[in-house]
Amino acid sequence: KAGVTQTPRYLIKTRGQQVTLSCSPISGHRSVSWYQQTPGQGLQFLFEYFSETQRNKGNFPGRFSGRQFSNSRSEMNVSTLELGDSALYLCASSLLGANNQPQHFGDGTRLSIL
Amino acid sequence: DAKTTQPPSMDCAEGRAANLPCNHSTISGNEYVYWYRQIHSQGPQYIIHGLKNNETNEMASLIITEDRKSSTLILPHATLRDTAVYYCIVRDPADRGSTLGRLYFGRGTQLTVWP
Repeated sequence: KAGVTQTPRYLIKTRGQQVTLSCSPISGHRSVSWYQQTPGQGLQFLFEYFSETQRNKGNFPGRFSGRQFSNSRSEMNVSTLELGDSALYLCASSLLGANNQPQHFGDGTRLSIL
Repeated sequence: DAKTTQPPSMDCAEGRAANLPCNHSTISGNEYVYWYRQIHSQGPQYIIHGLKNNETNEMASLIITEDRKSSTLILPHATLRDTAVYYCIVRDPADRGSTLGRLYFGRGTQLTVWP
């Protein structure tokens, strides 16, 4: 069974640009969550989607947004990129998003802002 | 916020058991204990989770104390490939919108397995 797939693996952008990251969950999983990982802040929750609806959101500015498609694939978008947005962005999927079901992570997209 | 306390680092000889402790003294009755690990430049890998009873799978064993205020992850025969940061997380199973999808990661324990 294929795991969570994130594309691209690496991305370099400049300040002010925008970026879209993609996540394909494990087949049959309907919940997708996004996290940001930086050396200073560690792993921080961005948002979670289920059945194309955002169910939960972390403490990030409105420049960070996401969506989920009917096939459960998800994208996240960051607009007006800042240097501090340089991070590893991780996507995780679970069957229904219930808190007693494990989330399974992809290997992330490493975003570097110049 | 993370509800767990873990030692920042531990080491273990290859082939020996690695016992990683986690303190979760404020855990509530229905909160699950989850363990993940992260190898450099990869996403966190799910290891195991449990509520009250001890659990075992092909990767590890999870021992939860009777009062549920602490737990231990056991890797029975550590290998060099088990070198990673290990995260212990408590998670409320209640289907409340405010916690759905959210995992609170602390700083974890850096486990180093040496030859």
